[in-house]
Amino acid sequence: DIQMTQSPSSLSASVGDRVTITCRASQTISSYLNWYQQKPGKAPKLLIYAASSLQSGVPSRFSGSGSGSDFTLTISSLQPEDFATYYCQQSYSTPSITFGQGTRLEIK
Amino acid sequence: EVQLLESGGDLVQPGGSLRLSCAASGFTFSSYAVNWVRQAPGKGLEWVSTISGSGDTTYYADSVKGRFTISRDNPKNTLYLQMNSLRAEDTAVYYCAKYPTTVGGKTGNYFDYWGQGTLVTVSS
Repeated sequence: DIQMTQSPSSLSASVGDRVTITCRASQTISSYLNWYQQKPGKAPKLLIYAASSLQSGVPSRFSGSGSGSDFTLTISSLQPEDFATYYCQQSYSTPSITFGQGTRLEIK
Repeated sequence: EVQLLESGGDLVQPGGSLRLSCAASGFTFSSYAVNWVRQAPGKGLEWVSTISGSGDTTYYADSVKGRFTISRDNPKNTLYLQMNSLRAEDTAVYYCAKYPTTVGGKTGNYFDYWGQGTLVTVSS
């Protein structure tokens, strides 16, 4: 299985900050990388697919980049509603997809 | 509006069985592959199973292969997960989630819509 490792596992930031979360695959996965946001007690929500494509309805302050084995999710200016846990997910080895362990974004 | 509504979660003893359902609406159900994804309490996300739009192709994670069976009833717009020989480590919230394609094994797939989840607890 392809292992996905996110860093950091948690971080504290303030409203208005620029935040970057990193996801590394254990092998090259081209651009088959997706990002999700999950708030407590809620289902995950798709933010970014194919490494850099913004899902419809997602604010433009979210962006994704990377290819090969290293990827980033950037939030350009944190809003109060962005405090959540973020997961990356590889879809290179579909159907056996795997997720990162998650990055918890907390208010400083 | 796409909606996925899971049901059937419960407390069950180790070795027991349970069937989950996911009622879909707001899209042409038979045109899309759908999945079960689970999340153990306080843990991350784990893909469990996928079924193609027609229902003729299924895939399973190694952790559930031989114990769980995914199926769908397209005229009823409903997805199922039959769970047998349940173990404590199967305790989780189970989500149904759809792909934007009809083929479940397509490289590049992603979960574009999710249900709210149903809790399965395996304990004596």
